[in-house]
Amino acid sequence: GAVVSQHPSWVICKSGTSVKIECRSLDFQATTMFWYRQFPKQSLMLMATSNEGSKATYEQGVEKDKFLINHASLTLSTLTVTSAHPEDSSFYICSAPDRALGNTEAFFGQGTRLTVV
Amino acid sequence: DQQVKQNSPSLSVQEGRISILNCDYTNSMFDYFLWYKKYPAEGPTFLISISSIKDKNEDGRFTVFLNKSAKHLSLHIVPSQPGDSAVYFCVADTGNQFYFGTGTSLTVIP
Repeated sequence: GAVVSQHPSWVICKSGTSVKIECRSLDFQATTMFWYRQFPKQSLMLMATSNEGSKATYEQGVEKDKFLINHASLTLSTLTVTSAHPEDSSFYICSAPDRALGNTEAFFGQGTRLTVV
Repeated sequence: DQQVKQNSPSLSVQEGRISILNCDYTNSMFDYFLWYKKYPAEGPTFLISISSIKDKNEDGRFTVFLNKSAKHLSLHIVPSQPGDSAVYFCVADTGNQFYFGTGTSLTVIP
């Protein structure tokens, strides 16, 4: 089945630094990828929709200058958390639907646990 | 605005019994639904889906029921097993975007 690989699975960084998270669709092309964030004991919150070759669409309340998304190819989307602060510590998950198969489930990355100290 | 709602944040069930997880939605245009299971610190994994042309879909121990008139769906797990303990998300797929419910944390007690 289709696989989405997310890297790194966990990262600890110092406050003020930037962190890049990669999301790759391994055996299918993803023109669209979704980035989610999960706070403890809360639902997955959609942050932005990443579109290959164009600008990402951000959800209300998500700072586009802080969470930079690049979808430069059909198999790779990156999320960069710039000037990270402790409140950015969270679990980030990417997702890519394989629309070639029609209406089907989205495939999720393994998630990235970001801790900003 | 939460368009997909799971009103029970948690549920505890004895092993071997049936687990019923409920989900309500507000947008009548939603026509495809999925259930995901999520363990802590992992990405969600797909469980089962249902299209609005059906009212039931079954896969092993998992059955999803859809009541379009009530805008309600439910996931039945029978028999429940300790390994089923996880957070379950109900998701609506519009073809362009996924709408996640708030999740229900299921605990299956051995």
